[in-house]
Amino acid sequence: QQQVKQSPQSLIVQKGGISIINCAYENTAFDYFPWYQQFPGKGPALLIAIRPDVSEKKEGRFTISFNKSAKQFSLHIMDSQPGDSATYFCAASKNTGNQFYFGTGTSLTVIP
Amino acid sequence: KAGVTQTPRYLIKTRGQQVTLSCSPISGHRSVSWYQQTPGQGLQFLFEYFSETQRNKGNFPGRFSGRQFSNSRSEMNVSTLELGDSALYLCASSLASQNNEQFFGPGTRLTVL
Repeated sequence: QQQVKQSPQSLIVQKGGISIINCAYENTAFDYFPWYQQFPGKGPALLIAIRPDVSEKKEGRFTISFNKSAKQFSLHIMDSQPGDSATYFCAASKNTGNQFYFGTGTSLTVIP
Repeated sequence: KAGVTQTPRYLIKTRGQQVTLSCSPISGHRSVSWYQQTPGQGLQFLFEYFSETQRNKGNFPGRFSGRQFSNSRSEMNVSTLELGDSALYLCASSLASQNNEQFFGPGTRLTVL
């Protein structure tokens, strides 16, 4: 079964707007939550990651919000740009290795 | 530093054949993980190698195997190819084998006819 559930499947945002992608998990053993960005023909690139001891992490225009009690985390892209148009994946892993469980991906389109 | 490199980038095989894919991790990284990416199933973990030992294994049949060499380079082998094995195979490297940042290569696009 899908260990990490991601929504929405696709998202269209105006340039300058905020893009929000949500993920939920069930396994409380997960303790590392990265977000990846993937462009067509490329491998996923690490954007930002968070561990459950903090509720928010910000790097530039990208922010992860983490709600441990709800077992949810989300990616916020502020001031979205056409160059942000890509597929975004959330993931989770346990402290037993580098086996990552990925969400199904969100295709983001930023309209100029 | 050079990133993760994967060879070949594209492969076309026929059913029943076998294939070997190669991955060179970022210099100094000792963990290599392999993932299969398909439109239907998304990104699925195959296995992870650290210091030449398989650390974790995903839920794939025994036709999928791998190994890691002393220089941390890794190979993945798929025997008796099936049409459903057509996918993008991604390799990711990490400094260590415990919940670390993973850096992905560009992938090998395998098409099985």
